[in-house]
Amino acid sequence: DIQLTQSPSFLSASEGDRVTITCRASQGISGSLAWYQQKPGKAPKLLIYAASTLQSGVPSRFSGGGSGTEFTLTISSLQPEDFAIYYCQQLNSYPLTFGQGTRLEIK
Amino acid sequence: EVQLLESGGGLVQPGGSLRLSCAASGFTFSTYAMSWARQAPGKGLEWVSVISNSAYTRLYADSVMGRFTISRDNSKNTVYLEMNGLRAEDTAVYYCARGGQSTGRFDPWGQGTLVTVSS
Repeated sequence: DIQLTQSPSFLSASEGDRVTITCRASQGISGSLAWYQQKPGKAPKLLIYAASTLQSGVPSRFSGGGSGTEFTLTISSLQPEDFAIYYCQQLNSYPLTFGQGTRLEIK
Repeated sequence: EVQLLESGGGLVQPGGSLRLSCAASGFTFSTYAMSWARQAPGKGLEWVSVISNSAYTRLYADSVMGRFTISRDNSKNTVYLEMNGLRAEDTAVYYCARGGQSTGRFDPWGQGTLVTVSS
């Protein structure tokens, strides 16, 4: 199984900050990576797929990059509604796996 | 609007069974793979199962293999998850989602249905 490790697991930042979350895969997954945002009591929401393609309707302050084994999710200028938990997911091979999550909190 | 609506969750005793349903609307259901994922209380996301658009391919996580069965009825735009031999560690919110490896993403997700396994 492909393991995904996100770093950091916890991130404290202020409104307006630029933040980057990293997702590392235990083996190469080409560009088959998605990023999701989850708020308390809600279902995950797709932000990015194919490593760098912004889902329709998602603000352009979100961007994704990387390939192979290292991927990033960047939020260019944090807004109040961005404080949530973020997960990466590999869709290169089954079983599909998720990272452990990164909790983004207000400083 | 593309929507997924799960139902069927509840409280069940260890060893019991439950059938979850996920009703889809707003898209051509028969052309998409569908997946189930779950989230234990306070924990991260775990993929559970996927079914191809024709139901020819069905795959499962090791943790549920032999106990859970995924199926779909394209005439009813519904995907199901039959869960047998339930264990305390199956307690989670279960989400259905459109997609899998073939689409490269899960979008959208349903609102989730809570399954609690306890005596």
